[in-house]
Amino acid sequence: LAKTTQPISMDSYEGQEVNITCSHNNIATNDYITWYQQFPSQGPRFIIQGYKTKVTNEVASLFIPADRKSSTLSLPRVSLSDTAVYYCLVVLRGYGQNFVFGPGTRLSVLP
Amino acid sequence: NAGVTQTPKFQVLKTGQSMTLQCAQDMNHNSMYWYRQDPGMGLRLIYYSASEGTTDKGEVPNGYNVSRLNKREFSLRLESAAPSQTSVYFCASYSSYNEQFFGPGTRLTVL
Repeated sequence: LAKTTQPISMDSYEGQEVNITCSHNNIATNDYITWYQQFPSQGPRFIIQGYKTKVTNEVASLFIPADRKSSTLSLPRVSLSDTAVYYCLVVLRGYGQNFVFGPGTRLSVLP
Repeated sequence: NAGVTQTPKFQVLKTGQSMTLQCAQDMNHNSMYWYRQDPGMGLRLIYYSASEGTTDKGEVPNGYNVSRLNKREFSLRLESAAPSQTSVYFCASYSSYNEQFFGPGTRLTVL
């Protein structure tokens, strides 16, 4: 599975848009990009996944360029409750596999 | 649906004691996982079961054993607990749509 690299931490203010970029240079043809959110003392929660171009749901948007070597999670108008750790994973769709979460990006939203 | 359930929620062991962490899912998923998360760190995969009847090692399997009892249940056993195994343990199941569902976690302290 492709290794991913993300910033360790980010700060933002309430109401701002936050973009977290993940690098996955050796992503394979059949791999998908998934993002998880983890609040303190809870297990991670799936946010969004994509294969190429742009995906949007009620929580976030995911932008994937044509070469798929990176992806950007976009959180519109963040609030204090978006303070969490965000993980980027590259996965082979539908198969049980050796997932690697990595340290993630710790987002702090300030008032 | 209860999703993924884990028992116990908290446990304190003495060095050398053994215990089994239980996990069950009611979503009919084929794949199940055990992770550990140390304070301030990302999740590390201990073992996973891609399908009923199979188990595979993850990143940190030493000191642990697993049993995929049936499609619903996946247990993690510590045969001789060590202080280095103090951590939060998360169980997860994986859907065919790339989404992992996590349990609430078990907080284990080994004295």
